[in-house]
Amino acid sequence: DQQVKQNSPSLSVQEGRISILNCDYTNSMFDYFLWYKKYPAEGPTFLISISSIKDKNEDGRFTVFLNKSAKHLSLHIVPSQPGDSAVYFCAASDGGNEKLTFGTGTRLTIIP
Amino acid sequence: GAGVSQSPRYKVTKRGQDVALRCDPISGHVSLYWYRQALGQGPEFLTYFNYEAQQDKSGLPNDRFSAERPEGSISTLTIQRTEQRDSAMYRCASSPRNEKLFFGSGTQLSVL
Repeated sequence: DQQVKQNSPSLSVQEGRISILNCDYTNSMFDYFLWYKKYPAEGPTFLISISSIKDKNEDGRFTVFLNKSAKHLSLHIVPSQPGDSAVYFCAASDGGNEKLTFGTGTRLTIIP
Repeated sequence: GAGVSQSPRYKVTKRGQDVALRCDPISGHVSLYWYRQALGQGPEFLTYFNYEAQQDKSGLPNDRFSAERPEGSISTLTIQRTEQRDSAMYRCASSPRNEKLFFGSGTQLSVL
């Protein structure tokens, strides 16, 4: 039973355009959500997070939106750059960072 | 070192053998986590420690899996009587208490 779902295994976006990565969850106890980015042969690195008391969190080119009623979150990258090409994992927990449930990842390719 | 260090980088073993995977966290990090990642999947929680105390081991698949962190720093994940289904990338992460996780590059375990 996949509690965190990333339904798009891959996404290609032109450099300079907006990249939108989506994530759905089923566990209504989840109240903290994160995005991790992973380059080949490296471990995932933290990108941005949001708690359920907010519906938006922004950090530079990265914005995460949370729609609690739809149990959906998305990551927007504007403008997309070649260095953004990586696998992006959505993760969730029911309180803090102790026990994260990850999605299966979306491979983002930025086309120069 | 500057990051989380895991060894060995690759481990090939025969079915039925025991393996020990090592994690050296970032100096001063209170919390240490073990995750397992199968091909095409996201990381899956196994267990975590605060200092030397194991806080949650609910993700360990069965009693062949165990982990320790005796001095609150280096941790070892041990898998006894390995099976082919144990083949995966084993990732360690550390963090200051309940803050974002810093992942290592992982140990790729192959059980033949």
